[in-house]
Amino acid sequence: DAKTTQPPSMDCAEGRAANLPCNHSTISGNEYVYWYRQIHSQGPQYIIHGLKNNETNEMASLIITEDRKSSTLILPHATLRDTAVYYCIVRLPDRGSTLGRLYFGRGTQLTVWP
Amino acid sequence: GAGVSQSPSNKVTEKGKDVELRCDPISGHTALYWYRQSLGQGLEFLIYFQGNSAPDKSGLPSDRFSAERTGGSVSTLTIQRTQQEDSAVYLCASSLGPGHGTQYFGPGTRLTVL
Repeated sequence: DAKTTQPPSMDCAEGRAANLPCNHSTISGNEYVYWYRQIHSQGPQYIIHGLKNNETNEMASLIITEDRKSSTLILPHATLRDTAVYYCIVRLPDRGSTLGRLYFGRGTQLTVWP
Repeated sequence: GAGVSQSPSNKVTEKGKDVELRCDPISGHTALYWYRQSLGQGLEFLIYFQGNSAPDKSGLPSDRFSAERTGGSVSTLTIQRTQQEDSAVYLCASSLGPGHGTQYFGPGTRLTVL
């Protein structure tokens, strides 16, 4: 039960911004939006997460709509090494009776071309 | 080391043999997760540890699969009487624990059952 919808694939030119969309229309008030990516033959890598506010770190920016039904992961200057499958995940916080497992859907295959 | 480590990186075994896969989480992380990823598929949750106890074993596919964690650190996933459908990449992740939802993944163990 991934609870998210992502396009199966996207392309981006090297040096340009990559904007990866995610729909999570059934998200509840205390569920976080997490983004991970998986480069071929490696384990998933955490990118960023947020609840309501937009977030930015050294890897990416996360824009969450006001109604929280969708979000966009932005890689501001994509490089060839950003080619990977990007997963958008919504989950309860890891506390109390929640168990913290991540539900990975199919994700978006981002291909960055020279 | 700074990250999650897993061993072996690759394991080839014959159908019917038992295998043990090892995970060393990040030091100080109390939560540990096992997932598996079959070829071309998304990640499938297997089991979650908080400390040495496993409050969520619901993802284990059969009673041939078991896992333990000792000393709140190293975990071992054991598959008995392996079958060809057990072939997959087995991924381990750890997090600081309740209230800290970001999971950090190891590189995985690629299991091939002949």
